[in-house]
Amino acid sequence: EVPLVESGGGVVRPGGSLRLSCAASGFKFDDYGMSWVRQAPGKGLEWVSGIKWNGGSTGYADSVKGRVTISRDNAKNSLYLQMNSLRAEDTALYHCARGYTSGEFDYWGQGTLVTVSS
Amino acid sequence: QAVLTQPSSLSASPGASASLTCTLRSGINVGTYTIYWYQQKPGSPPQYLLSYKSDSDKQQGSGVPSRFSGSKDASANAGILLISGLQSEDEADYYCMIWHSSAWVFGGGTKLTVL
Repeated sequence: EVPLVESGGGVVRPGGSLRLSCAASGFKFDDYGMSWVRQAPGKGLEWVSGIKWNGGSTGYADSVKGRVTISRDNAKNSLYLQMNSLRAEDTALYHCARGYTSGEFDYWGQGTLVTVSS
Repeated sequence: QAVLTQPSSLSASPGASASLTCTLRSGINVGTYTIYWYQQKPGSPPQYLLSYKSDSDKQQGSGVPSRFSGSKDASANAGILLISGLQSEDEADYYCMIWHSSAWVFGGGTKLTVL
């Protein structure tokens, strides 16, 4: 059973917004930091953002800083990524992963595809 | 110049060993970093393999065979993933990662072909 399932991806025009979600199960969600990692088609991995277990600290890659907000709802075992001012270069498969303060991202979802195109 | 540089591809024979390098940009000292390694097969999310800072500070991922090990080459300012006894199932993309300037940074990845 995959403990992380992403949703919310789709096709959006440049300048548009999307909110990605990640539903966690099978582990104590509020014990772990969480991250979003993306992969453009045919390209490598890029860490996007991370959040500590209690939401008290977050981090962002320079490429998305100011346009993206990570959040979590521990009562709902859910992680979110609000993406604004989307650009063509944001087109990618977005994975949520368990881990942030440690680089041991030990569980990954299958990802949700975001396509930014006019 | 990228923070982490990996060769784009590497080929090796079954049963042989493969050494995958992850070179840190000049001015970033490999000795002060923990290097994390991931394996990704087509159509699947990445899988955590191991982390290595020193021989006394290293971790193997859950269920990861001991054929996978980490090390560093200080003279080359590089982290190394060594895969011994190569098997066809080891054919995959491999990524290194470090925590740098308050962000996780991945290398560009190495495509390992076992033939």
